Amino acid sequence: DAGVTQSPTHLIKTRGQQVTLRCSPKSGHDTVSWYQQALGQGPQFIFQYYEEEERQRGNFPDRFSGHQFPNYSSELNVNALLLGDSALYLCASSGDGFNTEAFFGQGTRLTVV
Amino acid sequence: SQQGEEDPQALSIQEGENATMNCSYKTSINNLQWYRQNSGRGLVHLILIRSNEREKHSGRLRVTLDTSKKSSSLLITASRAADTASYFCATVITSGTYKYIFGTGTRLKVLA
Repeated sequence: DAGVTQSPTHLIKTRGQQVTLRCSPKSGHDTVSWYQQALGQGPQFIFQYYEEEERQRGNFPDRFSGHQFPNYSSELNVNALLLGDSALYLCASSGDGFNTEAFFGQGTRLTVV
Repeated sequence: SQQGEEDPQALSIQEGENATMNCSYKTSINNLQWYRQNSGRGLVHLILIRSNEREKHSGRLRVTLDTSKKSSSLLITASRAADTASYFCATVITSGTYKYIFGTGTRLKVLA
């Protein structure tokens, strides 16, 4: 079992550009969530996808959007990048329900210059 | 404001000693999970404890949950240098939300 895999591991983008991050969930998991972690902080919830729909969204602007594919993999897109978007982006997968364990990938380190 | 707050923010101990970290939260939860993070990389899942459970063990880890005090603790026994990491608690609250709410973490340093 490969666990949760994210790509790429590191990314440098210029302010104003757009970026796409990718996530493959753990085998058997159908729910994918995305988190942003700034340096020295805990992860902050961006949104969650289930059955190819955004089920819940955190307090992030519309510049952050996502997609889930039929094979449960997911993408996070960020448009019009700002310097403040520099962070570690984490993907978590889980089974459906409120009491399931969530497993995280290694993250994508995004630097906006 | 944060739902979960870990305490202490930083902890430094000698190898072989026990390390205890605490997590407090504000609203009723479905479950609480503890994670470890090495050097700003991915989160490693340690333990999930449900709101109707009081204690769980996994190897050298012991987690307790006191819902009346809205707090949890993570005990690492016989610590090793490899336990050096940041530890986070994450809660799922009972209002029908699916998101995990993280605290700011405890930075543990185990000295060899």
